[in-house]
Amino acid sequence: AQSVTQPDIHITVSEGASLELRCNYSYGATPYLFWYVQSPGQGLQLLLKYFSGDTLVQGIKGFEAEFKRSQSSFNLRKPSVHWSDAAEYFCAVGALKLVFGAGTILRVKS
Amino acid sequence: ETGVTQSPTHLIKTRGQQVTLRCSSQSGHNTVSWYQQALGQGPQFIFQYYREEENGRGNFPPRFSGLQFPNYSSELNVNALELDDSALYLCASSLELNTGELFFGEGSRLTVL
Repeated sequence: AQSVTQPDIHITVSEGASLELRCNYSYGATPYLFWYVQSPGQGLQLLLKYFSGDTLVQGIKGFEAEFKRSQSSFNLRKPSVHWSDAAEYFCAVGALKLVFGAGTILRVKS
Repeated sequence: ETGVTQSPTHLIKTRGQQVTLRCSSQSGHNTVSWYQQALGQGPQFIFQYYREEENGRGNFPPRFSGLQFPNYSSELNVNALELDDSALYLCASSLELNTGELFFGEGSRLTVL
């Protein structure tokens, strides 16, 4: 069965610091992988996706993610966090049906 | 280009009642999916519609049903509401089938008392 694990429920980083959000997945074949962001009171917005090819993918708002098949991971990174990045981040796997992780809430300290 | 819009934004129902939630897809998108997001959890797939036909369904009972109309707007209907149905219901449209690239609305927050 497909599943996604986001080990960190909450993460707090200082503005300007680097960020890494962890995601591990279980999937029977080559996965389609996604990161979505949800700001309070808003729907989810696609940050980036991995279908195939280069394992380092670039997304919007300066985010990137690296697919590591050997570790079944798809971690999200950003070199310098801005206060506006505070939100909840969801990793997801699938195509027709997306399976989401439980989310990681990012807090940014000024 | 208009985004995905959902209505109502909030509603309160009592156990046993029925509810209809509505969604207007992003312009040009012929696929719509519905997700349930309980508090503190990630969204869970309910079903997907493509060209007015159900194209896939998650682990939800038959009292969760849907419709997609020729203009690609959509409805989610839930009968015999239970307390556990309290959640944020998210509609998402996509331009292509089975790519996972979804454009989400802001959701309808359902509270069942």
